[in-house]
Amino acid sequence: DIQMTQSPSSLSASVGDRVTMTCRASQSIITYLNWYQQKPGKAPKLLIYVASNLQSGVPSRFSGSGSGTDFTLTINSLQPEDFATYYCQQSSTTPQTFGQGTKVEI
Amino acid sequence: QVQLQESGPGLVKPSETLSLTCTVSGDSISSYYWGWIRQPPGKGLEWIGYIYVSGSTNYNPSLQSRVTISIDTSKNQFSLKLTSVTAADTAVYYCARYFGGNSYYYYDLWGRGALVTVFS
Repeated sequence: DIQMTQSPSSLSASVGDRVTMTCRASQSIITYLNWYQQKPGKAPKLLIYVASNLQSGVPSRFSGSGSGTDFTLTINSLQPEDFATYYCQQSSTTPQTFGQGTKVEI
Repeated sequence: QVQLQESGPGLVKPSETLSLTCTVSGDSISSYYWGWIRQPPGKGLEWIGYIYVSGSTNYNPSLQSRVTISIDTSKNQFSLKLTSVTAADTAVYYCARYFGGNSYYYYDLWGRGALVTVFS
């Protein structure tokens, strides 16, 4: 199985901050990498697909980059509604796997 | 607006079969892939598997011996069955649309989730 490792596991930030989190795959997944946001008690929401494509309706302060094994999710000018847990997911190989999540806290 | 809604028993006894159905509204279930993902309380996401409208499936090998995903286009529904459940199968189960093309796919629409507790 491809292991997806996210770092940090949690981070503290303030409104207006620029936040960066990373996702590393245990082998190359090219750009088969998606990012999701999950708030407590809610279903995950797709933010970024194929490493760098912004899902329709998602604010442009979210951006993704990377290829191969190393990927980054950046939130420019963090907003109050962005405090949540973020997961990466690889769809390159069965079984699909998710990272353990990065929790963004105030 | 396409919506997905999970339904099924919230309590299942150990060794019995967990059964959930996902009803899709607002669009035809045809021409897409549909998947199941679960999340144990306080933990991360685990992929269970997906099905195409043709009936072809792809399962997580760790669950393959116990899982069946099926589809009913006449009812615009797809279903999950997980046999021989244990406490480790207690989780929120999400159904989702697996969307994309040219081999690049992602879960773009999700149901609200259904908590299933394995409890004797």
